[in-house]
Amino acid sequence: NAGVMQNPRHLVRRRGQEARLRCSPMKGHSHVYWYRQLPEEGLKFMVYLQKENIIDESGMPKERFSAEFPKEGPSILRIQQVVRGDSAAYFCASSTRQDIEQFFGPGTRLTVL
Amino acid sequence: DQQVKQNSPSLSVQEGRISILNCDYTNSMFDYFLWYKKYPAEGPTFLISISSIKDKNEDGRFTVFLNKSAKHLSLHIVPSQPGDSAVYFCAGRDNYGQNFVFGPGTRLSVLP
Repeated sequence: NAGVMQNPRHLVRRRGQEARLRCSPMKGHSHVYWYRQLPEEGLKFMVYLQKENIIDESGMPKERFSAEFPKEGPSILRIQQVVRGDSAAYFCASSTRQDIEQFFGPGTRLTVL
Repeated sequence: DQQVKQNSPSLSVQEGRISILNCDYTNSMFDYFLWYKKYPAEGPTFLISISSIKDKNEDGRFTVFLNKSAKHLSLHIVPSQPGDSAVYFCAGRDNYGQNFVFGPGTRLSVLP
């Protein structure tokens, strides 16, 4: 019974490059959430998706960031033209419906040089 | 605007004693609260939850208390064990929203 999987675990990008972070939810889970944790800070909600739909993206920066959760395959968080301030740990969580506990993946640590 | 506050960035407790982690919130629409534990280089793991219609929920060594009038909740761990050393996050969800708002976390160190 695999948990939430994220890859890569570590990602290094140079300024201006694109970063793609993947999240495979737990089996049977159709709700996916992305969070960002900056150094010495808590988790900040970014986006909530269900299959093929973005339900709440109120925490997403207006530019350069996008997310999708296609009918088939993992959820993708995409950051275009990365800047040093994007360096953080990005966590994905999933649940069976939006009002119960979320199960987190191990995170992807993005470092922008 | 920090809706969930954990005013103690860190806490040290002797093994076997009680650990009390506090959390305050400002959003009176929160109807569900969770506590997560996080080890370094790992994702948060769910610990315990409480609905706003309750004032206490207990699971083994972990008990969460909710005081709605004070907009305050606390997590009690008794007895504390060295393996409990981690960062603890409190999170709340409002009944109109779709997501949880996390506090900044409290780092608990249980000393042997």
